[in-house]
Amino acid sequence: EDKVVQSPLSLVVHEGDTVTLNCSYEVTNFRSLLWYKQEKKAPTFLFMLTSSGIEKKSGRLSSILDKKELFSILNITATQTGDSAVYLCAVEAGTYKYIFGTGTRLKVLA
Amino acid sequence: NAGVTQTPKFQVLKTGQSMTLQCAQDMNHNSMYWYRQDPGMGLRLIYYSASEGTTDKGEVPNGYNVSRLNKREFSLRLESAAPSQTSVYFCASSRGAGETQYFGPGTRLLVL
Repeated sequence: EDKVVQSPLSLVVHEGDTVTLNCSYEVTNFRSLLWYKQEKKAPTFLFMLTSSGIEKKSGRLSSILDKKELFSILNITATQTGDSAVYLCAVEAGTYKYIFGTGTRLKVLA
Repeated sequence: NAGVTQTPKFQVLKTGQSMTLQCAQDMNHNSMYWYRQDPGMGLRLIYYSASEGTTDKGEVPNGYNVSRLNKREFSLRLESAAPSQTSVYFCASSRGAGETQYFGPGTRLLVL
C-alpha cells in the first residue's frame, strides 16, 4: 500500500531558528514529491521535486529529494512567525494519484 | 484572478439530506479535483476530472457524485449525507496530470 509519512507531527520553535521537516514515502510508482504550506485554509504550493540531489530554493525555504532512501526534507532558515502553518508533503504515485502525508504543524514563537 | 473558488464556506446538514458543493476556477486549467481532509489523515482524493467531459474515481468516492459542468466548474454532490462525511472539502485544479495543483479555500461540512 502506498504511504507517505511526515515527521515530526508538530514542532514549536523561536523566531530565528532553523527547522527541518521530514517526509518519507513508500510508493510503487513514484513520479514526483510536492510540498505545500497550509495556513488557515487552502494549501499553497511550495516545491515540486522529481530528481534526487537537486536542491530547490525559494527565499528561506529549501527542499531536497533522495530517491534512493525514499525521503525528502524541507528546511526553513531564520524562521518567522509567518512561517507558522501545517506543512504537507504529497507524492504523485501515478497518473492523477496523489498520496498526502498528515502534515507537520509548525509554530514559530516571537 | 480569483484562482479557485468554492461555495459554500460552511454548511450543516442533517443525516440523509443532500447538497452540492460548487467549485470554479478561472485559470483555464484542464484538470480539477475534489479532496477531503480529516483530522489525523492526509488529504484524500474523492474524484477528479482530467479534462472537460471526463470524471474518474479517486481513493474515497463512495457516497459522492461529481459533475464537470464545463471547463471552469466542477461540482461535488452528496445524495444522502452521513455523519462520516463530516469533513473539510477542498477543490483543486491543474493544467494537467503531473502539474502543480492550486487549491480553493475549502468547505467545512458538518453532518449531524
